[in-house]
Amino acid sequence: EIVMTQSPATLSVSPGERATLSCRASQGVGSNLAWYQQKPGQAPRLLIYGASTRATGIPARFSGRGSGTEFTLTISSLQSEDFAVYYCQQYNKWPPWTFGQGTKVEIK
Amino acid sequence: QVTLRESGPALVKPTQTLTLTCTFSGFSLTISGMCVSWVRQPPGKALEWLALIDWDDGKYYSTSLETRLNITKDTSKDQVILRMTNVDPVDTGTYYCARAADCYMGDGLDVWGQGTTVIVSS
Repeated sequence: EIVMTQSPATLSVSPGERATLSCRASQGVGSNLAWYQQKPGQAPRLLIYGASTRATGIPARFSGRGSGTEFTLTISSLQSEDFAVYYCQQYNKWPPWTFGQGTKVEIK
Repeated sequence: QVTLRESGPALVKPTQTLTLTCTFSGFSLTISGMCVSWVRQPPGKALEWLALIDWDDGKYYSTSLETRLNITKDTSKDQVILRMTNVDPVDTGTYYCARAADCYMGDGLDVWGQGTTVIVSS
């Protein structure tokens, strides 16, 4: 089973600043990686799939990069609505699909 | 518009079988590539993938839970059903169903239900 490790656990960022979140896979997953955003009391929302393709309706300030075992999600200029928990998920070798443990982006 | 809605008991006793239903609309689970997955989230914890069923009735399970899970679909009712046997308090959490428009091409889980909260307690 592929283990996804996200860092940091919590990221404190001021509005308008850039946020960079990391996700590492225990073995190569190619570009078969997705990022999700989850706000309190809400279901997750797909942001990125294929490591770098934004899902429908996702603003351009969200960008994903990486392949193999190292991935990043960058939010270029944090808006108030972007403070949330972010999860990466691999779907290269499955079952199972596996999620990371999440990175909480909080207001500094 | 694609929607999914989870339903099931809010409270289940330990050792019982939990049955959750995902009722969807706006797409067909008979289309090649289409999949529906179940994901759960214990209170305050991370997402955990549970199971997936594809348009061709392919079924896939979490490695750690596969002996307790069974996923089925009823295309006539546009429903996906997840059964979990021998539940335990650690199974308490919010259970989500979500769609992947093409799970083999890797489009991600693009539409989610709002989730249903399940408490396992005697």
